[in-house]
Amino acid sequence: DIQMTQSPSSLSASVGDRVTITCRASQSINFYLNWYQQKPGKAPKLLIYAASNLQSGVPSRFSGSGSGTDFSLTISSLQPEDFAAYYCQQSYSTVYTFGQGTKLELK
Amino acid sequence: QVQLQESGPGLVKPSQTLSLTCIVSGGSISRSGDYWSWIRQHPGKGLEWIGYIYYSGSTYYNPSLKSRVTISVDTSKNQFSLKLNSVTAADTAVYFCARHGKTAIVTFDYWGQGALVTVSS
Repeated sequence: DIQMTQSPSSLSASVGDRVTITCRASQSINFYLNWYQQKPGKAPKLLIYAASNLQSGVPSRFSGSGSGTDFSLTISSLQPEDFAAYYCQQSYSTVYTFGQGTKLELK
Repeated sequence: QVQLQESGPGLVKPSQTLSLTCIVSGGSISRSGDYWSWIRQHPGKGLEWIGYIYYSGSTYYNPSLKSRVTISVDTSKNQFSLKLNSVTAADTAVYFCARHGKTAIVTFDYWGQGALVTVSS
């Protein structure tokens, strides 16, 4: 299986901060990388697909970049509703795998 | 707007079979190009993809669970189901059903709200 490793595992930040979460694949996955946001007790929500494409309805403060093995999700100016967990997911291999998650907390 | 809803027992005894159903509304489970997956999340942990089914009955399972998993579809009821046998406490998790396409970029764009299943005697 392709292993997805996110860093950091948790992050404390303030409203208005710019934050970046990274995701590294154990082998090259081209651009087959998606990002999800999950709030407590809810299902994940698709934010970014194909590494850098914003899902319809997602605010433009979210952006994604990367290819190959290294990817990042950036939130340009944190809003109160952005404090949540974030997961990357690869679809290069049919055994779809997710990162372990990054919990974004209010400082 | 497609909606998915999981249902099934919230408590299963060790060694027994976990059974869940996902009812799809707002769209046909038989729509060409739509695939239907089960994904689970252990308490406080990350997400693990279990497997998918196409309306034709074609399936693909995560090799780590393949020996214990069966996913089936009932197009007449617009639903699909998960069976996981010989469960242990390690199978305690929230189980989600989700829809995705099968293009090169597989995105889970619609999810159920999740069903907590606890394995305990």
